[in-house]
Amino acid sequence: AQSVTQLDSQVPVFEEAPVELRCNYSSSVSVYLFWYVQYPNQGLQLLLKYLSGSTLVKGINGFEAEFNKSQTSFHLRKPSVHISDTAEYFCAVSGPGAQKLVFGQGTRLTINP
Amino acid sequence: EAGVVQSPRYKIIEKKQPVAFWCNPISGHNTLYWYLQNLGQGPELLIRYENEEAVDDSQLPKDRFSAERLKGVDSTLKIQPAELGDSAVYLCASSPRGRDRGRNEQFFGPGTRLTVL
Repeated sequence: AQSVTQLDSQVPVFEEAPVELRCNYSSSVSVYLFWYVQYPNQGLQLLLKYLSGSTLVKGINGFEAEFNKSQTSFHLRKPSVHISDTAEYFCAVSGPGAQKLVFGQGTRLTINP
Repeated sequence: EAGVVQSPRYKIIEKKQPVAFWCNPISGHNTLYWYLQNLGQGPELLIRYENEEAVDDSQLPKDRFSAERLKGVDSTLKIQPAELGDSAVYLCASSPRGRDRGRNEQFFGPGTRLTVL
């Protein structure tokens, strides 16, 4: 079975500051990893995904994430956040031939001016 | 290209009443998912369709929940009767056909927020 733990339920940061949202996963097989963003009253939108190859993955809106197999982590980072980044962020895991995505509980990112 | 469409966006009902949610996936996407998202939680899969066949409904509470995907396009999720604990957001998602389903991005609709009083 696969599982995802997002270590922070809420992360407050100041505008233009860097941010890291932490995600750890558990899986007995190889994994595919995803970060989705959910803006208020909207559905989830894919930010980026790791399938194979380079462990540093770049996504939309200036976000990037690094796959670390030894630490079973896939932390999301952005060097400078904007007010518009205020949203809920979800880490998710699947695997080869997987039947479904398993989501973490989410991290609420709040940007203070 | 239109995204995943869901209706209604909001629904308020009394407990024990029936309710239905509708989803129209992205054109050409053969896989359709219904998720339940409780407040402050990540989405949890209720049911997955491949075309018109429900291939994973292990998490669907079948005593009160039902779903259908006629003709392999639109889908309806129904609750009868609704309970107070069913208050949540119901998300629909779709993804295209692929050799390795695990790699596929899922495209989500805006969800239906259900409040049961």
